[in-house]
Amino acid sequence: EIVLTQSPGTLSLSPGERATLSCRASQSVSSSYLAWYQQKPGQAPRLLIYGASSRATGIPDRFSGSGSGTDFTLTISRLEPEDFAVYYCQQYGSSTYTFGQGTKLEIK
Amino acid sequence: QVQLVQSGAEVKKPGASVKVSCKASGYTFTSYYMHWVRQAPGQGLEWMGIINPSGGSTSYAQKFQGRVTMTRDTSTNTVYMELSSLRSEDTAVYYCARGWDTNHPFDYWGQGTPVTVSS
Repeated sequence: EIVLTQSPGTLSLSPGERATLSCRASQSVSSSYLAWYQQKPGQAPRLLIYGASSRATGIPDRFSGSGSGTDFTLTISRLEPEDFAVYYCQQYGSSTYTFGQGTKLEIK
Repeated sequence: QVQLVQSGAEVKKPGASVKVSCKASGYTFTSYYMHWVRQAPGQGLEWMGIINPSGGSTSYAQKFQGRVTMTRDTSTNTVYMELSSLRSEDTAVYYCARGWDTNHPFDYWGQGTPVTVSS
């Protein structure tokens, strides 16, 4: 099973700043089958990024994903108030689908 | 528009079973796989398994093998997840989530069904 480790656990930033979230896999993620989700309190997760770098439908271009192999990054270029949430990475390239433990992005 | 509407909150005693439903609309039901994911209070996301609504084939996470059963009803475009031998650690919100194929992310999610296991 591929284990995903996200860092940092909590990121404190101000609106307008740039956020960089990391996701490291215990083994290579095949064909960059890596996704990022955003989850707000009391809501279901929302797909942001798939294939490591492709934005899902309706996702603003301030969200971008990069990486391959075992190291992946989600970048939010300029934080908006609605971006403060928990972010999860997920690999979907093996027969078991695993999530990272999440990064909480909070307002500084 | 795509919608996944789940059944309501459940309270169960240890040792009992729970069956959660997820009714799909706005797309061809048999063209997409359905996953089940759970989230314990204050915790992260945990994948439980996948069902192919077309043929009914399933694959479960090893952790839940023998305790979980996923089924579907193509006449009502509904998938079901039944978890048996409940224990307090199964207290969580259970989500269904759609995937176009087995190597695709989860693009639409249900609203979640809280399940509480308590004596």
